[in-house]
Amino acid sequence: EPEVTQTPSHQVTQMGQEVILRCVPISNHLYFYWYRQILGQKVEFLVSFYNNEISEKSEIFDDQFSVERPDGSNFTLKIRSTKLEDSAMYFCASSEIRIWGAYGYTFGSGTRLTVV
Amino acid sequence: DQQVKQNSPSLSVQEGRISILNCDYTNSMFDYFLWYKKYPAEGPTFLISISSIKDKNEDGRFTVFLNKSAKHLSLHIVPSQPGDSAVYFCAASAVTSSGTYKYIFGTGTRLKVLA
Repeated sequence: EPEVTQTPSHQVTQMGQEVILRCVPISNHLYFYWYRQILGQKVEFLVSFYNNEISEKSEIFDDQFSVERPDGSNFTLKIRSTKLEDSAMYFCASSEIRIWGAYGYTFGSGTRLTVV
Repeated sequence: DQQVKQNSPSLSVQEGRISILNCDYTNSMFDYFLWYKKYPAEGPTFLISISSIKDKNEDGRFTVFLNKSAKHLSLHIVPSQPGDSAVYFCAASAVTSSGTYKYIFGTGTRLKVLA
């Protein structure tokens, strides 16, 4: 079964450092998403991406965050200057172009980011 | 802004019995509701969904009920199995201004099925 792959599974970084979280969506999917879950809290929408541009972003997704699809397969989330409160599980997801609300995205297994 | 709420953080059920997980929402504009299941160290996995125009959807052991007037939905698992032990997230689907969908998740309910 096709999978969304995320690397690394766990990243520890110093406060103020830049991190890049990587995702390989399912190959025929065209919509990409990042969500995050702070420990013990709900899964929160960060950003959606289609046709090489951001289509929607939440208030969490401020200027510290950026997304990119540098080639035909990877989808990255960059945090420029990490803060302690960025520590969370970050999930990448993808969906086919015609998918609509009835169908779930396919999520990756997540990257646990720990900012120290 | 808790548009989707799961008020029970945990639930324990005996194997073979029914598990009922509950979810409440506040926004009447949500058009689909979904349940996701999450095992430790894995991403959420889509389980079942229901359109806002229906009141029940069934898939094998899983049934989702929607009560629009009460803004409440529930997931029934019958019979419950030990492999069902996971965190279950309720999510509501909202169309964004760009025509994509984003999900608004509840905080999850940890289900433990006891053998």
